[in-house]
Amino acid sequence: DIQMTQSPSSVSASVGDRVTITCRASQGIGNWLAWYQQKPGKAPNLVIYAATSLHSGVPSRFSGSGSGTDFSLTISSLQPEDFATYYCQQGNTFPLTFGGGTKVEIK
Amino acid sequence: QVQLQESGPGLVKPSQTLSLTCTVSGGSISSGNYFWSWIRQPPGKGLEWIGHIYYSGSTYYNPSLKSRVTISIDTSKNQFSLKLSSVTAADTAVYYCASSGSYYDSSGTRYFDLWGRGTLVTVSS
Repeated sequence: DIQMTQSPSSVSASVGDRVTITCRASQGIGNWLAWYQQKPGKAPNLVIYAATSLHSGVPSRFSGSGSGTDFSLTISSLQPEDFATYYCQQGNTFPLTFGGGTKVEIK
Repeated sequence: QVQLQESGPGLVKPSQTLSLTCTVSGGSISSGNYFWSWIRQPPGKGLEWIGHIYYSGSTYYNPSLKSRVTISIDTSKNQFSLKLSSVTAADTAVYYCASSGSYYDSSGTRYFDLWGRGTLVTVSS
């Protein structure tokens, strides 16, 4: 299986801050990577697919980059509704696998 | 649009079989545009993809659970189901059904933009 490693596990930030989360795959996955946002008690919501493409309805302050093994999700100006846990997921090889998550907390 | 809803017992005894159903509404489960997946999340932990089924009955299971998992489909009821046998406390989790009508190919769903609300299953005597 492809292992997905996210860092940091948590980050404290303020409204308006720029936040970057990273995800590393244990082997190359091309651009087969998604990012999800999950709020407590809710199902995850797709934010980014194919490493850099914004899912429909997602604000443009979210962006994704990377290919191969190293990827990142950036929120350019953190908004109150962005405080959540973010997960990466590789879509290259079955079984599909997720990273351990990064919690974005209010400073 | 297509919506998913999980249902099933919230409490299962150790060594027994966990059984959940996902009801698909707003579309046909027999549409060739979807693979139907189960994903779980232990309390306070990350996500684990369990496996998927296609309307034809073709399945793929995560090797980590393959010996205990069965996913089936009932096209007449627009439902698909999960059975997980010989459960232990480690199987306590929120179980989601998930899919996508957009992000898939002949191998399966690559990214998930359709999720049920999830159902918590606790394994305890």
